[in-house]
Amino acid sequence: SQQGEEDPQALSIQEGENATMNCSYKTSINNLQWYRQNSGRGLVHLILIRSNEREKHSGRLRVTLDTSKKSSSLLITASRAADTASYFCATDNGDTGRRALTFGSGTRLQVQP
Amino acid sequence: SQTIHQWPATLVQPVGSPLSLECTVEGTSNPNLYWYRQAAGRGLQLLFYSVGIGQISSEVPQNLSASRPQDRQFILSSKKLLLSDSGFYLCAWSKTGGTEAFFGQGTRLTVV
Repeated sequence: SQQGEEDPQALSIQEGENATMNCSYKTSINNLQWYRQNSGRGLVHLILIRSNEREKHSGRLRVTLDTSKKSSSLLITASRAADTASYFCATDNGDTGRRALTFGSGTRLQVQP
Repeated sequence: SQTIHQWPATLVQPVGSPLSLECTVEGTSNPNLYWYRQAAGRGLQLLFYSVGIGQISSEVPQNLSASRPQDRQFILSSKKLLLSDSGFYLCAWSKTGGTEAFFGQGTRLTVV
């Protein structure tokens, strides 16, 4: 399977609820990033967490990283209909030093108004 | 500010025809450049990346090739398209030594 696997694959919630997405990866990393993709568009960077960090916040986003379990989670609080999109985690490769990002298969989030 | 341009937005090509997708970056020098492909409802697969002019690394053996004739120009090509080449192609750049990637708006290629 790929480096960077998100779960769930799809998530449907009501506006105002929190959305949690998880990501697992296989290699050692220097950092992990989360991206958002609106349907049929390019990806937009949301947040980066370094391997020596355990938690990071940005607005309504909260990211956690557990390097011992090689996993990360993205929490979107007080979701809005405009948060509807696909969300991807991406990692570099700390084993090879390669900086090109490897992306997971994504979580499709649907926020119902 | 930096911008990335990728075109065309959509393309329908017959099997066996050639392909040329172009990506240019403005407002930065010596960027790392990337081509990704995304199958419907899936994640991104890295196809090629480049750390400088004429320097191309291929990630997946396939029917495609990439070239970087200028510092801020990255071209994805094929001599003869296959049906399996259909997909959403995304160009991206990052700063030298940087980690965050900036994406173009993508090209949806349909091979018929």
